[in-house]
Amino acid sequence: EAGVAQSPRYKIIEKRQSVAFWCNPISGHATLYWYQQILGQGPKLLIQFQNNGVVDDSQLPKDRFSAERLKGVDSTLKIQPAKLEDSAVYLCASSFRRGGPDTQYFGPGTRLTVL
Amino acid sequence: SQQGEEDPQALSIQEGENATMNCSYKTSINNLQWYRQNSGRGLVHLILIRSNEREKHSGRLRVTLDTSKKSSSLLITASRAADTASYFCATVGGSNYKLTFGKGTLLTVNP
Repeated sequence: EAGVAQSPRYKIIEKRQSVAFWCNPISGHATLYWYQQILGQGPKLLIQFQNNGVVDDSQLPKDRFSAERLKGVDSTLKIQPAKLEDSAVYLCASSFRRGGPDTQYFGPGTRLTVL
Repeated sequence: SQQGEEDPQALSIQEGENATMNCSYKTSINNLQWYRQNSGRGLVHLILIRSNEREKHSGRLRVTLDTSKKSSSLLITASRAADTASYFCATVGGSNYKLTFGKGTLLTVNP
């Protein structure tokens, strides 16, 4: 079974530029998550989708971050404009569950460096 | 905000020894999960223990949960160099079963 795919793996940008990350979850997984992991910390949930709909985006900085999940499959996370403190690894995860606790499967992540 | 707090922050042991990591949390949970993260394989789910369970085993892993003390421990027996990684506890709670990670324990197993 193919895992969660993410691209790009690495990205370096200047502050105030924009950047987008792409995620393809495991086939059949209804729930998709985006996490931000700053160096030395655990992942922090940014946004959770159930199919096309947003379940939780309480920790998403909505003035600069946006995410969408078209057709309930792939998802993109965008930052515009980027700040220095956005340097982190952005992890995408998916789970099968449709309304209960379940194991999340993580992609390899995109390491973003903002200069 | 981070819910779980792992202890110790870093642990260095010799191959063959056991490693114990602890996690404390603050609010009620549905379940607690442990994850491993290294550069080679990313973040990988290890084991899940539900709030009504006290102990769970998976291979060389043993997890305990004490909901009265709001704490959990992960024991890795007969450690190997390949176990070198960061280990995170993550609590699950709330109506959307949100996963909240701690800061992790960095385990180094020396050959």
